[in-house]
Amino acid sequence: DTAVSQTPKYLVTQMGNDKSIKCEQNLGHDTMYWYKQDSKKFLKIMFSYNNKELIINETVPNRFSPKSPDKAHLNLHINSLELGDSAVYFCASSHVGRNYGYTFGSGTRLTVV
Amino acid sequence: AQTVTQSQPEMSVQEAETVTLSCTYDTSENNYYLFWYKQPPSRQMILVIRQEAYKQQNATENRFSVNFQKAAKSFSLKISDSQLGDTAMYFCAFMKHENYGGSQGNLIFGKGTKLSVKP
Repeated sequence: DTAVSQTPKYLVTQMGNDKSIKCEQNLGHDTMYWYKQDSKKFLKIMFSYNNKELIINETVPNRFSPKSPDKAHLNLHINSLELGDSAVYFCASSHVGRNYGYTFGSGTRLTVV
Repeated sequence: AQTVTQSQPEMSVQEAETVTLSCTYDTSENNYYLFWYKQPPSRQMILVIRQEAYKQQNATENRFSVNFQKAAKSFSLKISDSQLGDTAMYFCAFMKHENYGGSQGNLIFGKGTKLSVKP
């Protein structure tokens, strides 16, 4: 199936831990994104990568670091997790210039306890 | 900066009836795209419909249609013959035109409208 897949779907961890969320797309898109959806369901972009190059880096704490080993993968690493990091994190992809919107992964619900 | 406003936090509709969700946006761009995404309880973000700003004709996808008023910067979604499976959060989103090798836009979302379809 062609899709954006992210793992894990659920992640429960303690404050202070370091965790990673992985994302892969097989759609041939050249751009990938991370969005954060807060408890009020608001979706806000965190990062955007185009062909492994960082394009958008919104005001996000330095504890969040995206890594793109190739244009089909964009992973999100979070250091020193805090309670306020609890949210749903969505990976998405698109192809610049086609303007068809984004294809989203199924989200990762991160709970920090 | 672009903003997207959805003024109805929650709405409900009876099965088989028609409902309209509102969305307004603010931009100085002339070339852009508008989207409605659906997020059911499964959490998956699903593209419902897309509108190109340079097209006057309103987009339709089966039971879903939009009323795009460019001058008023309004982009409402009409769902006809509502079904129980339409129960979801609906997000209006804006994206400015992206050029190959040019500027990189991003998808800007409204705060969403929670739609409940009642049997």
